[in-house]
Amino acid sequence: QVQLVESGGGVVQPGRSLRVSCAASGFIFSSYDMHWVRQAPGKGLEWVADIWYDGSNKYYTDSVKGRFTISRDNSKNTLYLQMNSLRAEDTAVYYCARVTEFSFDNWGQGTLVTVSS
Amino acid sequence: DIQMTQSPSSVSASVGDRVTITCRASQGISSWLAWYQQKPGKAPKLLIYAASRLQSGVPSRFSGSGSGTDFTLTISSLQPEDFATYYCQQANSFPITFGQGTRLEIK
Repeated sequence: QVQLVESGGGVVQPGRSLRVSCAASGFIFSSYDMHWVRQAPGKGLEWVADIWYDGSNKYYTDSVKGRFTISRDNSKNTLYLQMNSLRAEDTAVYYCARVTEFSFDNWGQGTLVTVSS
Repeated sequence: DIQMTQSPSSVSASVGDRVTITCRASQGISSWLAWYQQKPGKAPKLLIYAASRLQSGVPSRFSGSGSGTDFTLTISSLQPEDFATYYCQQANSFPITFGQGTRLEIK
């Protein structure tokens, strides 16, 4: 069955960097576009970034452009989100999600990133 | 950016009730709309995609309709496990955007 497992979250100081990962299994990872979606504590869902199945195109929400980089390693079935210059407002649970028919059909369990001094 | 507005923000209902949640897009999105259910501490779960197509494994009491700017999610007969927060999401254009959520509570 499809499984997405995020890791790498934690507490980080403002201005520092963190990389979160998403290990995929149970499907042909290299055939699917993948996304990151985040959810601040007690808030709604916010789309963060998208990467095409082959890594050829990437899209970001405006608030993270120039600070976050989405990438993937299809040989390792792993999705990444490199987060630089972190701010308090980046505090959230970060979910990776697979896209099918323009919707997120499978999600990981999420990893919590807390930006605090 | 396309704004997605859900109504109501919260609703109280009883087991067996019929509930409808609406989602309005700030501009036309054809049928590029999905609905998700989220329970506390859990990841969202896809219920409906392409506005009206039921995701595999989702009970048939869930249904979706609409196109263009106005969409609805209907639960025909509420079950205890349906009390959760529901989100709509548009995939017509970047940035992908979600509605603010509708909290479905037990009356």
